[in-house]
Amino acid sequence: DIQMTQSPSSLSASVGDRVTITCRASQSISNYLNWYQQKPGKAPKLLIYAASSLQSGVPSRFSGSGSGTDFTLTISSLQPEDFATYYCQQSFTTPLTFGGGIKVEIK
Amino acid sequence: EVQLLESGGGLVQPGGSLRLSCAGTGFTFSRYAMSWVRQAPGKGLEWVSAISGSGDSTYYADSVKGRFTISRDNSKNTLYLQMNSLRAEDTAVYYCAKNLAIYGGYFDYWGQGTLVTVSS
Repeated sequence: DIQMTQSPSSLSASVGDRVTITCRASQSISNYLNWYQQKPGKAPKLLIYAASSLQSGVPSRFSGSGSGTDFTLTISSLQPEDFATYYCQQSFTTPLTFGGGIKVEIK
Repeated sequence: EVQLLESGGGLVQPGGSLRLSCAGTGFTFSRYAMSWVRQAPGKGLEWVSAISGSGDSTYYADSVKGRFTISRDNSKNTLYLQMNSLRAEDTAVYYCAKNLAIYGGYFDYWGQGTLVTVSS
């Protein structure tokens, strides 16, 4: 199985900060990497697919990059509504696997 | 508007069975693969199972293989998850999700989730 490792496990940031979250795959997954945002009590929401494509309706402050084994999600200017947990997910092969999630909290 | 509505969750004893349903509207149901993803209380997301648009191909996580069965009825625009031999560790919110594709795809729409609690 492909293991997805996210770092850091949590982070504290302020409104307006630039935030970068890392996801590493245990083997190459090309660009088959997706990012989701989840708020408490809600279903996950797709932010980025295929490593760097912005899902329709998602603000442009979110961006993704990477290929192979190393990927990043960047929030260029953190907004109050962005405090949430972020998950990466690979779709290169089954079993489809998620990272453990990173909770972005208010500093 | 795409909507996915799960039902069928509840409290079940260890060793028991439960069938979850997910009704899809706002898209051509038969064209898309579908998945079940679960989340144990306070934990992260775990993919459980997926099925192709036609229903011909199915995929399972090792943790549920042999106990859970995914199926779909495209005439009713409904996805199912039959869960047998349930264990305490199956306790979770179960989400159905629309897949653009299983390989190389992503979950672009999710249901609101249904809670399954396995306890005596």
